[in-house]
Amino acid sequence: EPEVTQTPSHQVTQMGQEVILRCVPISNHLYFYWYRQILGQKVEFLVSFYNNEISEKSEIFDDQFSVERPDGSNFTLKIRSTKLEDSAMYFCASSFSDRTSGNTIYFGEGSWLTVV
Amino acid sequence: GNSVTQMEGPVTLSEEAFLTINCTYTATGYPSLFWYVQYPGEGLQLLLKATKADDKGSNKGFEATYRKETTSFHLEKGSVQVSDSAVYFCALGGSEKLVFGKGMKLTVNP
Repeated sequence: EPEVTQTPSHQVTQMGQEVILRCVPISNHLYFYWYRQILGQKVEFLVSFYNNEISEKSEIFDDQFSVERPDGSNFTLKIRSTKLEDSAMYFCASSFSDRTSGNTIYFGEGSWLTVV
Repeated sequence: GNSVTQMEGPVTLSEEAFLTINCTYTATGYPSLFWYVQYPGEGLQLLLKATKADDKGSNKGFEATYRKETTSFHLEKGSVQVSDSAVYFCALGGSEKLVFGKGMKLTVNP
């Protein structure tokens, strides 16, 4: 079965450093997403991406975050200057369509980011 | 805005016990409802879904019915197995994004 893959599985970084989380969505999917889960809290939507641009973003997705699809297969989340509160599990996801009602969103295993 | 409230755990059951995980939602419009599961060391997987009121989603012995009158989507399984040990997330979606509950960790002992 096709799957979304994410790297790294775990990263520890110092506060203020830049971090790039990488994802390879399922190959024929057109919509890409990042979600995150702070330990003990809900899984939260960050951003959705379609046709090489952001289609929706949450309040969490401020100027320190950016997403990119640099080469047609990877989908990256960059955090420019990490803060302690960015420590979380980051999930990449993809789907063929944008309609969640008739559509399945496939998630990766997550990248656990620890900011120290 | 849309929100999901689900039963929090952790919960520990014995094999063959009956499982219910409560989930209620607040939403505008007519969202779809989902249960996702995360097995240890794996990503979020769609377990089942329902797209309109009174629909029942089912998969792997799990069931959930979309109840508009009680704004609920409770997950049930009649007889859990050790392999059902995982974290279960209720979610709703009406457009691109999903809104998740906090997740509930289930451990099933032999």
